[in-house]
Amino acid sequence: QQQVKQSPQSLIVQKGGISIINCAYENTAFDYFPWYQQFPGKGPALLIAIRPDVSEKKEGRFTISFNKSAKQFSLHIMDSQPGDSATYFCAASRYITGNQFYFGTGTSLTVIP
Amino acid sequence: ETGVTQSPTHLIKTRGQQVTLRCSSQSGHNTVSWYQQALGQGPQFIFQYYREEENGRGNFPPRFSGLQFPNYSSELNVNALELDDSALYLCASSLAWQNTEAFFGQGTRLTVV
Repeated sequence: QQQVKQSPQSLIVQKGGISIINCAYENTAFDYFPWYQQFPGKGPALLIAIRPDVSEKKEGRFTISFNKSAKQFSLHIMDSQPGDSATYFCAASRYITGNQFYFGTGTSLTVIP
Repeated sequence: ETGVTQSPTHLIKTRGQQVTLRCSSQSGHNTVSWYQQALGQGPQFIFQYYREEENGRGNFPPRFSGLQFPNYSSELNVNALELDDSALYLCASSLAWQNTEAFFGQGTRLTVV
């Protein structure tokens, strides 16, 4: 059973555009929601994370929007650049189990120059 | 680079054999988690070690086992290898087992033939 569902599977965006990746979860006990970026041949790297006590978190060009009632959260990449081309994973975890993450299936983002 | 190193980077094994993968955690980190990432999928949590004790386990059979050493480095052992065990194996270290940032290594690509 997929605890975290992620869409779309792939995304192509023009340079300067906005990339939006969506995730949904079922377990209301989840209380930490990170996004990871993975380049080919590398391990995932933490991009940005949010806790359910806020509805939005912004770091530079990256923003997480969080909707607790809908059990959904999304990553927005503003002014997308070719260097942002990578696979993005959303994840979720519970404080009581520490950083034992449930990952989404990933979104392959391609930013066209 | 995250400071988490894994060895070897690539490995080919025959079905039925046993394999040991190694992970050196980032300096000062006492928690190591292991994940299996099948091709085109998100990482799946195998287990976590905190100060040399197993601190949580995902839905993996007992032939997946691990160790953490006093210097907090870790091993993942897989017995009786099956073709479906072919995947990228990632380890992640963190300062503590709670929801703090997890730093991933580059992974070990295991191919079972």
